[in-house]
Amino acid sequence: QVQLQASGPGLVKPSEPLSLTCTVSGDSIGSYYWSWVRQPAGKGLEWIGRIDTYGNTTYNPSLKSRVHMSVDTSKNQFSLTLTSVTAADTALYSCARDLYYFDNWGQGPLVTVSS
Amino acid sequence: QSALTQPASVSGSPGQSITISCTGTSSDVGGYNYVSWYQQYPGKAPKVMIYDVSNRPSGISYRFSGSKSGNTASLTISGLQAEDEADYYCSSYTNSGTNVFGTGTKVSVL
Repeated sequence: QVQLQASGPGLVKPSEPLSLTCTVSGDSIGSYYWSWVRQPAGKGLEWIGRIDTYGNTTYNPSLKSRVHMSVDTSKNQFSLTLTSVTAADTALYSCARDLYYFDNWGQGPLVTVSS
Repeated sequence: QSALTQPASVSGSPGQSITISCTGTSSDVGGYNYVSWYQQYPGKAPKVMIYDVSNRPSGISYRFSGSKSGNTASLTISGLQAEDEADYYCSSYTNSGTNVFGTGTKVSVL
């Protein structure tokens, strides 16, 4: 059973970059897509983007100018960077295995954007 | 991209059947059989209940079923149980190669 663990700082200052890493265990990161999803407190899910093991990416158009994803197959990890953050980026960020549906999730962390 | 449209809330009595709709466009729901449904309890990660419109992952109760007609997908929960009380989200692949989620539906068991 594949397991995902998202990690990163819980507090980011406005205008600074938000960087998170998702570590995959129980299976190779190869041959799949991997996505990031976020959820502000009390609100719905928002898909951020996906990456494959070759580093090919697709991003949510509303975030595209601020999002960058990368993959490190040697560490079985993939990462998210969101630049120029504001309070509107405060949310629970999760990573997921992406088969055009999300069958395994790694929840967290809750990232708060505040000075 | 716009979120798919779901009713904010749906309720039913134990044993009844309820249906949650998920309305998109021909660029997402209507154009692909990549519609999925997720159940989410407070503070927990979403759990896939239906994928590819109508397929149930291993371990998901037969009481959950999915369908699609045109630009609208539906999730039906039959034999409603107290444990089904949760938030439900649909998701679809789009013609831009992205995914989009629905607005979410709170299911209440009366």
